[in-house]
Amino acid sequence: DQQVKQNSPSLSVQEGRISILNCDYTNSMFDYFLWYKKYPAEGPTFLISISSIKDKNEDGRFTVFLNKSAKHLSLHIVPSQPGDSAVYFCAAKTSYDKVIFGPGTSLSVIP
Amino acid sequence: KAGVTQTPRYLIKTRGQQVTLSCSPISGHRSVSWYQQTPGQGLQFLFEYFSETQRNKGNFPGRFSGRQFSNSRSEMNVSTLELGDSALYLCASSPDHPEGYTFGSGTRLTVV
Repeated sequence: DQQVKQNSPSLSVQEGRISILNCDYTNSMFDYFLWYKKYPAEGPTFLISISSIKDKNEDGRFTVFLNKSAKHLSLHIVPSQPGDSAVYFCAAKTSYDKVIFGPGTSLSVIP
Repeated sequence: KAGVTQTPRYLIKTRGQQVTLSCSPISGHRSVSWYQQTPGQGLQFLFEYFSETQRNKGNFPGRFSGRQFSNSRSEMNVSTLELGDSALYLCASSPDHPEGYTFGSGTRLTVV
């Protein structure tokens, strides 16, 4: 029973274009959502987060959108750079509960 | 400041053996969580320890256990290893907020 889903295992984008990574969740009790980035042979690193009381959060080239009614969130990277090539994990949690991660989407930014 | 340190980095064990993995969190972080990463499954939550107490537990069999010491260092133990236990085991520490989740580089366990 996967509570956090990332239905695209991989995504390829040209450098300079927008990358859109999608994430769906099933548990309506989630109140906090996060995105992590992972390079090979390294642990995941925190990228950006959003509280359920917001519908958008922006940090530089990264923007996360939350649509609670659709139980959907997305990560936009503009403009995409080759260094953004990594696996991106969507994660969600309720207060003081465990963080649940999705299966990840492998992003390749082509120069 | 030093990051999260996991030891060993790589481990090869045979079926039926047991293994202990270690995680030293960032100084001051009291929460330590363990995750298993396998291809296609993402990060599966194992358990979380906070101030030496198990606060949350995932859906793994009892062969997987852990503990946390008074200095916040944590160990994870897997007994009677199975081939399917081959995975990257990641430890994450935080001061008690998910944004503060800092992951170690992981221990790559191979069971043969």
